[in-house]
Amino acid sequence: QVQLVQSGAEVKQPGASVKVSCKASGYSFSNYGISWLRQAPGQGLEWVGWISAYNGYTKYAQDFQGRVTMTTDTSTTTAYMELRTLRSDDTAVYYCSRIGDSGSYWDNWGQGTLVSVSS
Amino acid sequence: QTVVTQEPSVSVSPGGTVTLTCGFSSGSVSTPYYPSWYQQTPGQAPRTLIYSTNTRSSGVPDRFSGSILGNKAVLTITGAQADDESVYYCVLYLGNGIWVFGGGTKLTVL
Repeated sequence: QVQLVQSGAEVKQPGASVKVSCKASGYSFSNYGISWLRQAPGQGLEWVGWISAYNGYTKYAQDFQGRVTMTTDTSTTTAYMELRTLRSDDTAVYYCSRIGDSGSYWDNWGQGTLVSVSS
Repeated sequence: QTVVTQEPSVSVSPGGTVTLTCGFSSGSVSTPYYPSWYQQTPGQAPRTLIYSTNTRSSGVPDRFSGSILGNKAVLTITGAQADDESVYYCVLYLGNGIWVFGGGTKLTVL
């Protein structure tokens, strides 16, 4: 079965960077894109961006452009999201999700990674 | 600014039917926006319910259904159960690899 397993919780200081991983299994990794989303405490979900595991093409939400980089490693079937210049309002649970066959929705989700930004 | 609108909260009686709606600031929600719906309970990752307007994700019971009604996407839950109490998110696909979330609807079953 499809599984997306994310790395553990992180605590960072303002201005630092964080890199979250998402290990995929149970399917052909290169055939599907991966999206990253986040959810601040008590808030709704927010789309951060996506990456093609086939060719590395990326698209980032406007609010994150210049601060986020998404990559994949096909040899380990792992996707990564790096967020730089962290601020306190980046404190959130970050989710990876697999983009479904039609390319317009997400069909499987990671368990989430809490990133806390605090001095 | 692209805004997807959802009711902040809705309630339904056990066994009842409820509709949650999803509107769009840029006009009507239609099938080319491939509306999808996700259910989330506190502390859990979202669960995919409906995609491409009306296709149920694997394992989702048929009491969850999606449609377009007028100028909005609609999620209908028939025979509501206590464990349907969750936050439901509508997402629209704007094309070119861009998605936008609604603010979510908190469903209370009481």
